[in-house]
Amino acid sequence: NAGVTQTPKFQVLKTGQSMTLQCAQDMNHNSMYWYRQDPGMGLRLIYYSASEGTTDKGEVPNGYNVSRLNKREFSLRLESAAPSQTSVYFCASSGDFGSGNTIYFGEGSWLTVV
Amino acid sequence: GDSVVQTEGQVLPSEGDSLIVNCSYETTQYPSLFWYVQYPGEGPQLHLKAMKANDKGRNKGFEAMYRKETTSFHLEKDSVQESDSAVYFCALSADTGFQKLVFGTGTRLLVSP
Repeated sequence: NAGVTQTPKFQVLKTGQSMTLQCAQDMNHNSMYWYRQDPGMGLRLIYYSASEGTTDKGEVPNGYNVSRLNKREFSLRLESAAPSQTSVYFCASSGDFGSGNTIYFGEGSWLTVV
Repeated sequence: GDSVVQTEGQVLPSEGDSLIVNCSYETTQYPSLFWYVQYPGEGPQLHLKAMKANDKGRNKGFEAMYRKETTSFHLEKDSVQESDSAVYFCALSADTGFQKLVFGTGTRLLVSP
């Protein structure tokens, strides 16, 4: 009963390094999302993909890129990490509007940039 | 743009106390409203939802009424338990094509025994 799976769970990066967060869902959902969670700020949308082949910017896209590799997978890339990108990152997915609007989250990826 | 405001960053009731966690929203559209709960080390998970005005979401003794006239969706429970301790996020979704949540800043509920 995997749901949404993210890797890695923990990562420490040096400023300027690059890395990719991987996400996969096994619920046949069309829509996928990347959020970041920071203390006192709730969850903020970085990028989303309404369907396979499309991606769009969310509230805080600067410094990130995404790839919707196929219907199951949606990756988030940091090209040149900065300390301000230290955060907990959550991947999520949801079905179409008729499925009841529930968004399912992964367990999170803790990223520290030093 | 759309926004959700949670006024309490932390609430510290004792077991058996009643609870109200405030949530107000702002949007020009007709949103769906949600409460998500997050336990330590986990991602948020849907706690309850209401899709239209005057709907009441319910789950595990918690309730929230969708009040369009006051643009509010307060979370209430008559008697909290220690196991209710978690972070609660109010959220709205105003997209018609698919779900894109806007979250409040969260309220940490810590229930003492």
